Amino acid sequence: AQSVAQPEDQVNVAEGNPLTVKCTYSVSGNPYLFWYVQYPNRGLQFLLKYITGDNLVKGSYGFEAEFNKSQTSFHLKKPSALVSDSALYFCAVSRARDTGFQKLVFGTGTRLLVSP
Amino acid sequence: SQTIHQWPATLVQPVGSPLSLECTVEGTSNPNLYWYRQAAGRGLQLLFYSVGIGQISSEVPQNLSASRPQDRQFILSSKKLLLSDSGFYLCAWSLKVQAYGYTFGSGTRLTVV
Repeated sequence: AQSVAQPEDQVNVAEGNPLTVKCTYSVSGNPYLFWYVQYPNRGLQFLLKYITGDNLVKGSYGFEAEFNKSQTSFHLKKPSALVSDSALYFCAVSRARDTGFQKLVFGTGTRLLVSP
Repeated sequence: SQTIHQWPATLVQPVGSPLSLECTVEGTSNPNLYWYRQAAGRGLQLLFYSVGIGQISSEVPQNLSASRPQDRQFILSSKKLLLSDSGFYLCAWSLKVQAYGYTFGSGTRLTVV
């Protein structure tokens, strides 16, 4: 079965500093990996995805994520945090299989708090 | 382009009253549809998913039910709400999950009093 772990409930970072939100996954076969962001009382918004190819994936709002197969990780990063990046971030995984119904499995979420 | 509509945005209901939340998708055909609940601004709990009209899969036993009367319409219902049904309910749709992931609606904040 697929699973995702986000080991940090909350990440605190000062504005202008780099940020990292951690995600590790477990899946049989090749993974498809996603990051979503949720602002208060809103739905989840897609940030970026890894399907295949380059291990460094660039997404919306200056975010990027690095796929590391040997460490089964897909950490979200940003070189310089903004106060407006404060939100709840979800990592998700799906198994790379062409047939049959597939679901995304979500992590428990990490709250990012960027202080001015 | 595809859009997803979810309503109402906010709902306050007394214990024991019925519930109906509606979700519709535009601009696509035969999407997979999902209902999630999020408690206290944290993790997502998958409640139901549907791969086609009338096809509903339940992930957890509970006080809720779902229906899909039309291809792009997904309804979450309850005959009698419990206090524990309070939460933030999210609808989502997908086609090829691996390629595109999910697209979420804006959510419904349900408070049972």
